[in-house]
Amino acid sequence: GESVGLHLPTLSVQEGDNSIINCAYSNSASDYFIWYKQESGKGPQFIIDIRSNMDKRQGQRVTVLLNKTVKHLSLQIAATQPGDSAVYFCAEGDTDKLIFGTGTRLQVFP
Amino acid sequence: NAGVTQTPKFRILKIGQSMTLQCAQDMNHNYMYWYRQDPGMGLKLIYYSVGAGITDKGEVPNGYNVSRSTTEDFPLRLELAAPSQTSVYFCASSYTSGGNYEQYFGPGTRLTVT
Repeated sequence: GESVGLHLPTLSVQEGDNSIINCAYSNSASDYFIWYKQESGKGPQFIIDIRSNMDKRQGQRVTVLLNKTVKHLSLQIAATQPGDSAVYFCAEGDTDKLIFGTGTRLQVFP
Repeated sequence: NAGVTQTPKFRILKIGQSMTLQCAQDMNHNYMYWYRQDPGMGLKLIYYSVGAGITDKGEVPNGYNVSRSTTEDFPLRLELAAPSQTSVYFCASSYTSGGNYEQYFGPGTRLTVT
């Protein structure tokens, strides 16, 4: 079936550096993509989303890039902070639901 | 708004016991979802509902049942608990309109079956 996956299970970055978390998707017909952040012991929290008619969308310190040609999605976090340490999930919209990837753990060290 | 609430936060069950995980939302969302998350893994969809009286199976529905008698509540029932159902369960809701799929998640219920 269709699936969403991630290239890197763990990403370690130094505080203050930029982080890039990648995601590959397989359903070329998907028109909605979303990133969630999950801190330890908590439920996922919405970060940012993007529609397929856009290539880039920016939020506060975060940017999502969508490359439909290679079916690739990325989340960029500027000036990574200790509070950004979490697991990040990408997901794609599929009719009435979301299909989640396996997640990437972001570790921020001083 | 309280958002999405789940009870209990933690539960230990013996094999073969039954229980209901409660989920409620006060955002008047039409869609609700149940996921399970095993340690170090992603979210797997168990069941979802697009409105009161309507439920559909997700990726891993075996061993679970749901009902949606009201817009606000979406309980998940485990009839005969098995160790394989040890997991963290998340409920979510969304107002899916115009292709907006953003889901709001509850804090989770950590279930251990021994």
